[in-house]
Amino acid sequence: GENVEQHPSTLSVQEGDSAVIKCTYSDSASNYFPWYKQELGKRPQLIIDIRSNVGEKKDQRIAVTLNKTAKHFSLHITETQPEDSAVYFCAATSSGTYKYIFGTGTRLKVLA
Amino acid sequence: EAQVTQNPRYLITVTGKKLTVTCSQNMNHEYMSWYRQDPGLGLRQIYYSMNVEVTDKGDVPEGYKVSRKEKRNFPLILESPSPNQTSLYFCASSQGGMNTEAFFGQGTRLTVV
Repeated sequence: GENVEQHPSTLSVQEGDSAVIKCTYSDSASNYFPWYKQELGKRPQLIIDIRSNVGEKKDQRIAVTLNKTAKHFSLHITETQPEDSAVYFCAATSSGTYKYIFGTGTRLKVLA
Repeated sequence: EAQVTQNPRYLITVTGKKLTVTCSQNMNHEYMSWYRQDPGLGLRQIYYSMNVEVTDKGDVPEGYKVSRKEKRNFPLILESPSPNQTSLYFCASSQGGMNTEAFFGQGTRLTVV
């Protein structure tokens, strides 16, 4: 079945450094790739998304890149701050299966 | 205020006692779904609904039931809960199908003893 692999599972960076989280999907019909941030004890919330007809999207310190040929997409956070510490989930959806599949999450720690 | 509301937030129950977790959204969204979140496993989709009276299985449907009689409500039913269903559950809704942002409820922490 369809799945989304996410790496790394944990990531520690120094404040001000960049963080990169990578995801690989299996369903070639996937066409929507959102990223969610979940702070401790809170619900997941969308931080950025990208569609299959776009290769890159940026929103201030956050960017997402998509490589459809290789079926992987990545989240890039620059100039990290302590408030970026959270669990980040990637996801992929498919118009073929109507499923919304999440990766297993990355716990990001930004060290002050 | 646009929101997805789940109830209850916390629930401790005993094995075999039927329970229902309610989910309601006020955004007129068509697509709704249920997820369970377990350490190391991320968010796994249990069931989803594309519209009223249209539901389908996600990746981990065993032991769960859902119904979608009204657009705003999507309850999750555990007919005979077991300890392996102890988890954090989230309901979510999306406008215009699943290829858009999912708005999550506050979560329901369920413990089955």
